[in-house]
Amino acid sequence: QQPVQSPQAVILREGEDAVINCSSSKALYSVHWYRQKHGEAPVFLMILLKGGEQKGHEKISASFNEKKQQSSLYLTASQLSYSGTYFCGTNWQSGGGADGLTFGKGTHLIIQP
Amino acid sequence: DGGITQSPKYLFRKEGQNVTLSCEQNLNHDAMYWYRQDPGQGLRLIYYSQIVNDFQKGDIAEGYSVSREKKESFPLTVTSAQKNPTAFYLCASSVPAGAAFFGQGTRLTVV
Repeated sequence: QQPVQSPQAVILREGEDAVINCSSSKALYSVHWYRQKHGEAPVFLMILLKGGEQKGHEKISASFNEKKQQSSLYLTASQLSYSGTYFCGTNWQSGGGADGLTFGKGTHLIIQP
Repeated sequence: DGGITQSPKYLFRKEGQNVTLSCEQNLNHDAMYWYRQDPGQGLRLIYYSQIVNDFQKGDIAEGYSVSREKKESFPLTVTSAQKNPTAFYLCASSVPAGAAFFGQGTRLTVV
């Protein structure tokens, strides 16, 4: 079952903040966040694991609410380079996690100067 | 440089023809995946493989086939049974429970 992302699209001015949400109807083991520029491959941003462990390598933060089965991605002081489509990918199985991700439909983020 | 390479970048298929998309990685990852991307649909899982000589169907495997004879390679064949193959195909690899690294994709068009 595909996770639901919201909002579908958002337009911001450079320097403003954004929050993108990802909700699942099933119990999550992990949530992955990716950003994709038009015509390019998705680029990894962040993994959030059940139990609170968070792994990432960019200056972007995220949260994982196990009770609500929801993750949120926080983009603060947005830059023009943040423009793109953001996808969350969910994994529902523990131990291994190599069975592929189920992705949401994406959130289109446009940053204007 | 370590990475994941897909080829070709663009591919055209005639009706009734089988075509094979290449995916090679030198990241030493055990797990590899194939996703299909259509406008407005996000990424959908076609097949995945956790180890050599083993692979599993994803959500939309009908009309596709794969092989995993080497750790580095995971080719995808789009068969004539796939009635609507025009899409952007993405290959990825990862360590278990780790970040997925994607190739640059193959854009397949039926002519």
